[in-house]
Amino acid sequence: QSALTQPASVSGSPGQSITISCTGTSSDIGGFNFVSWYQRHPGKAPKLIIYDVSNRPSGVSNRFSGSKSANTASLTISGLQAEDEADYFCSSFTSSSNVAFGGGTKLTVL
Amino acid sequence: QLQLQESGPGLVKPSEILSLTCSVSGGSINRSDYYWGWIRQPPGKGLVWIASIYYSGNSYYDPSLRSRATISLDTSKNQFSLKLNSVTAADTAIYYCVRSWGCGGDCYSDYWGQGTLVTVSS
Repeated sequence: QSALTQPASVSGSPGQSITISCTGTSSDIGGFNFVSWYQRHPGKAPKLIIYDVSNRPSGVSNRFSGSKSANTASLTISGLQAEDEADYFCSSFTSSSNVAFGGGTKLTVL
Repeated sequence: QLQLQESGPGLVKPSEILSLTCSVSGGSINRSDYYWGWIRQPPGKGLVWIASIYYSGNSYYDPSLRSRATISLDTSKNQFSLKLNSVTAADTAIYYCVRSWGCGGDCYSDYWGQGTLVTVSS
């Protein structure tokens, strides 16, 4: 069982926006602004797409955005494209001074 | 372009030692900006951070694995390694080596190896 809770799957049609939630506790997401999101295509290494809750690394599309409210972080993908179909993982720094991950969410582009 | 590549046995017997090496090319591991670590994903489950190490040699472990795991650096070969003792089937996973930074430590992993599947079975 992962420390952070994500929905197992979400789906959306091209052009739409979707949001993936990531729920933790006051000991991780709620206690620190050190939330990140990763995208992983099948057979590929994960790619960092959001850090510090809402920052995008250089080269990441601005269609990806992150936010946080209390113990829940969210990843929003706008203008959904076929290439966005992938697994998405959230992570957060914790009060134990380590990093916890979510179980992952499979995004299907219909 | 920085590249990380895991290597090691794909099959380990229960109670034995899992040993993996990450070879880093395109940049030196002997620098203060980053941490080097290991993350794994058991089949059907989420990612799990295992351990990380700083260029100085300071190492950090997930509390649940601390007693069995050892991470080390070999700056002469630009490699770092993971050893996990007394493995069981629960250690079966894809193991990724990563470069990490952020939050004053290793919160964010911006470079990953392709991952290597390690199966624990007799």
